[in-house]
Amino acid sequence: DAKTTQPNSMESNEEEPVHLPCNHSTISGTDYIHWYRQLPSQGPEYVIHGLTSNVNNRMASLAIAEDRKSSTLILHRATLRDAAVYYCILKRGGADGLTFGKGTHLIIQP
Amino acid sequence: DAGITQSPRHKVTETGTPVTLRCHQTENHRYMYWYRQDPGHGLRLIHYSYGVKDTDKGEVSDGYSVSRSKTEDFLLTLESATSSQTSVYFCAISDRGRYNEQFFGPGTRLTVL
Repeated sequence: DAKTTQPNSMESNEEEPVHLPCNHSTISGTDYIHWYRQLPSQGPEYVIHGLTSNVNNRMASLAIAEDRKSSTLILHRATLRDAAVYYCILKRGGADGLTFGKGTHLIIQP
Repeated sequence: DAGITQSPRHKVTETGTPVTLRCHQTENHRYMYWYRQDPGHGLRLIHYSYGVKDTDKGEVSDGYSVSRSKTEDFLLTLESATSSQTSVYFCAISDRGRYNEQFFGPGTRLTVL
C-alpha cells in the first residue's frame, strides 16, 4: 500500500472546525482513502472513506484533492470527545488488512 | 457497536508458555484480523482470515499462529511467548474486506515476563 504523511499533532478549540491533512503523493488509481481514529485505551474506530469525490457522513467530511495526492478530514464542530489519534490509510484491493502509520494526535482545548 | 469481544482482556504470563487469545463476533462477517499495537508504532497486522479455515500471514506473523474453525471465532496463539510479544492485541472484522470498513474489538493487553 502507498504511504501517507500526516502531522504528528494538531491542536484545536472545542466547538470549532478541525481540518486534518493527509498527503499521499504516490496514491494509485485503485487506492481508497480511509480515515480511522483511536480514542485513548480503545480500539480504532472507522470514520470515513472515499475514492475520488468528497464524502460526508454523520461523523465527518472527507475532502479529496482533484489529483488525489492529498485529502483532508473535516470535523465540523469539535468536541472534547474528538480528542484522539487520527489515521489516514490507503487501501488497495484485497482482504489483507490495513497499514497504519503513526497518525495525527488531535488535542481539543475546552 | 459491532458485536466483537476479545478474551481475555488482560493477561500476564511467563516467557516460554503458550498463550491463546480469542476473538468472537456476532456479526457473521467473513473477514477477521489480528493486529498488535506497540508504543511508537501504529497497528501492525499479524494474521487475517478470509473465511472458515482460510487464513494468511500479515506483516509481523513470526511467532504467531491462528485458527478459524467457525465463522464467529478467530484464535491467535503464541506457541512459546517471548517478552517481545508484550503488546496490546486488537481483533477486527469486516464484511466485504476490500473496500469496506473494519470494526475493532476492545483489545487484549498481554504482558510476557
